[in-house]
Amino acid sequence: ETGVTQSPTHLIKTRGQQVTLRCSSQSGHNTVSWYQQALGQGPQFIFQYYREEENGRGNFPPRFSGLQFPNYSSELNVNALELDDSALYLCASSSHGGGNSYGYTFGSGTRLTVV
Amino acid sequence: QQQVKQSPQSLIVQKGGISIINCAYENTAFDYFPWYQQFPGKGPALLIAIRPDVSEKKEGRFTISFNKSAKQFSLHIMDSQPGDSATYFCAASTWLTGGGNKLTFGTGTQLKVEL
Repeated sequence: ETGVTQSPTHLIKTRGQQVTLRCSSQSGHNTVSWYQQALGQGPQFIFQYYREEENGRGNFPPRFSGLQFPNYSSELNVNALELDDSALYLCASSSHGGGNSYGYTFGSGTRLTVV
Repeated sequence: QQQVKQSPQSLIVQKGGISIINCAYENTAFDYFPWYQQFPGKGPALLIAIRPDVSEKKEGRFTISFNKSAKQFSLHIMDSQPGDSATYFCAASTWLTGGGNKLTFGTGTQLKVEL
């Protein structure tokens, strides 16, 4: 059973640029959630994808967008990067529905630095 | 808006001692309370979790105590070991309108277990 894999592990971008982060979900999981973890803080929910559609969204602006693909993998896209977007971006996969969709498995994250 | 408050921010415990981390929440819609352990450069890993209809749950050296009326819960690590040195996050889960759930995290506690 493979876990959640994220790529790249580290990334440096310039303010105003766009970035795409990728996530492969754990085998058997059909739901992907993205979290932003600023340095010294807890992760904050960005959004969740299920059946290739956004299933819920946190308090993040529209320049944060995502995709989910038929194989349940996912992308997080951030446009017009700001310095405050510098953070660890975590992807988590889970199984949706059946009253037992609590079991998140997190990847190791992508460390994004905006300069 | 911080909906889950966690304390202390950092904790130093001697090997063999008891580590205690506390969390408080406000939103009564939370229905599942997991604790995560995070090592540097890694994503959070589920340690133990509890539902609000249970007052205590124990798994090995880790125990969650839950006080629904006070809206507080805590993690106790018995016989703390140097390998337990990590950042611990409490979290609370709510359902999304499309099914699935999102986690609201505390700000984290950096635990160091000294020899």
